[in-house]
Amino acid sequence: AIQLTQSPASLSASVGDRVTITCRASQGMTSALAWYQQKPGRPPKVLIHDASTLASGVPSRFSGSGSGTDFTLTISSLQPEDSATYYCQQFNSLFTFGPGTKINIK
Amino acid sequence: QVQLQESGPGLVTPSQTLSLTCTVSGDSINTGDYYWSWIRQTPGKGLEWIGYIYFSGKTYYNPSLKSRLTVSMDTSKNQFSLKLTSVTAADTAMYYCARQTYGGDGYAFDIWGQGTMVTVSS
Repeated sequence: AIQLTQSPASLSASVGDRVTITCRASQGMTSALAWYQQKPGRPPKVLIHDASTLASGVPSRFSGSGSGTDFTLTISSLQPEDSATYYCQQFNSLFTFGPGTKINIK
Repeated sequence: QVQLQESGPGLVTPSQTLSLTCTVSGDSINTGDYYWSWIRQTPGKGLEWIGYIYFSGKTYYNPSLKSRLTVSMDTSKNQFSLKLTSVTAADTAMYYCARQTYGGDGYAFDIWGQGTMVTVSS
């Protein structure tokens, strides 16, 4: 199975900052990668699918890119409601999730 | 509006069988448009995909759980279910059911249930 790592494990940023999270796959894969946001006590919510397609209803400040083994999630202008844990997840080989990146608002 | 709702016991005795059901409303599971999955989450291991079922009855399981796992569906009730045998404390987790898109609709778990916490303890 493809293993996913994420960096950083956590970050603290200010409202309005541009934030980027990296997801690295243990081997090359297709674009079948999704990004999720999870807030405490809630299930994950899909933000991006197929590496770069914004899910329905998700604000345009979220974007995804990447290919091969390296993928990124970018928040162009961080908002208070973006405080959450973010996960990448792949559909190439089994369906594995990254360990998560926790974003705190300064 | 499609909704998924997990149900089942919150406490299971070690070595016994964990049984959960996911009731789907607002959509039929008896079409080929989606896969229907179980996913669990623990503080230690994070999010772990368990397995899915397709409307045809086809299943696909996480190899780490395959020997203990059965996922089935009841189309008359628009439900799908999970049975995990010989549970241990390591199976203690929040269990989610989720709808998975694929192909032209893109790959994602696009709708999730609220989750149900299952504790394995005597």
